[in-house]
Amino acid sequence: GENVEQHPSTLSVQEGDSAVIKCTYSDSASNYFPWYKQELGKGPQLIIDIRSNVGEKKDQRIAVTLNKTAKHFSLHITETQPEDSAVYFCAARSNTNAGKSTFGDGTTLTVKP
Amino acid sequence: DTEVTQTPKHLVMGMTNKKSLKCEQHMGHRAMYWYKQKAKKPPELMFVYSYEKLSINESVPSRFSPECPNSSLLNLHLHALQPEDSALYLCASSQAGALGGDTQYFGPGTRLTVL
Repeated sequence: GENVEQHPSTLSVQEGDSAVIKCTYSDSASNYFPWYKQELGKGPQLIIDIRSNVGEKKDQRIAVTLNKTAKHFSLHITETQPEDSAVYFCAARSNTNAGKSTFGDGTTLTVKP
Repeated sequence: DTEVTQTPKHLVMGMTNKKSLKCEQHMGHRAMYWYKQKAKKPPELMFVYSYEKLSINESVPSRFSPECPNSSLLNLHLHALQPEDSALYLCASSQAGALGGDTQYFGPGTRLTVL
């Protein structure tokens, strides 16, 4: 089955700096890669996603890049703000896996004011 | 409106109790999911309903019983739970029958404590 590894597990940055979180996946049939932000006491919220026919996608301060050959994808947050502090999960889904999402173990991002 | 609602927000129950968790979405989504999430861990898939039929059961113990009364509602019936079942229970939905490329939208979760 699919295996998703996420790094780093914790990340601390100063306000205004950039943050990068990386994930690798094992199943070459995976074709959809969402990123979720989970704040304390809340459910995961989709912040950006990318499909396998696209190499990069950007939404204001957030961007995701995908390298299908190397089977890795990354989340980039620029000009970080304290409200970006949360746990971030990457995930991979495949049409051949009955719609199951395989999640990474999560990254706890702390943005220091 | 990309909202999935869940009730109750918090639930405390004894090991002999019977309770139910409820989930609702009005986005016209045809796939609905139950996940279990322990602290500092990613969500773990429990069940998937696709077009109101159970399509995936991830070997979940029978003390958890899902039900999908219609395309907008999803229930999780709980009976004879164990303290280790204490967790955040998340509901999610996606548009078209649990396909791989579908965006999943999560609810806020029900925080369950089993005494």
